[in-house]
Amino acid sequence: DVKVTQSSRYLVKRTGEKVFLECVQDMDHENMFWYRQDPGLGLRLIYFSYDVKMKEKGDIPEGYSVSREKKERFSLILESASTNQTSMYLCASRGHNYGYTFGSGTRLTVV
Amino acid sequence: AQRVTQPEKLLSVFKGAPVELKCNYSYSGSPELFWYVQYSRQRLQLLLRHISRESIKGFTADLNKGETSFHLKKPFAQEEDSAMYYCALSGPGYSTLTFGKGTMLLVSP
Repeated sequence: DVKVTQSSRYLVKRTGEKVFLECVQDMDHENMFWYRQDPGLGLRLIYFSYDVKMKEKGDIPEGYSVSREKKERFSLILESASTNQTSMYLCASRGHNYGYTFGSGTRLTVV
Repeated sequence: AQRVTQPEKLLSVFKGAPVELKCNYSYSGSPELFWYVQYSRQRLQLLLRHISRESIKGFTADLNKGETSFHLKKPFAQEEDSAMYYCALSGPGYSTLTFGKGTMLLVSP
């Protein structure tokens, strides 16, 4: 059973802080994704990665960056957190059967 | 550009009533369509994909290419079906997944 683990369930950060959201998967998947989930807006793709050290912008990359130094780990970075980045962040990975597996999410509050 | 539209934010039905959650899509080509479900305090999980044509928890969905729709149906709703449902679309191969805005299904006793 594929597991996608997000290191924090809840985070509270101050405006201007640099924030790291970590995601680890244990099934050797090449593809990993970061989405944010907001009421009334659904899930929107921030960044994704097809392989180690590779990254692609999604639909809403502004204010975010990512890091994929190892295959199993995909980090989302908020360079300078702002209140409009308060959201639920979902990490996902995908294997060869094209199915996505999601983590349980990190609820980030920026104050 | 690919787009998924779920016209209803909320669908409220009584237990035992039929349910239809609507999903329309826009895509130039042959998409893959999915339904994902998120129960309260649980992670998002795959419910159905059109390729497999299976029924999960009594739900079915048929891809209608003429109407560009992939509506989710269940003949008799149960209280445990209450959840947020997302329709999603992917292009061929390893394309990314585009989600609709979601429909909250509430099934009352």
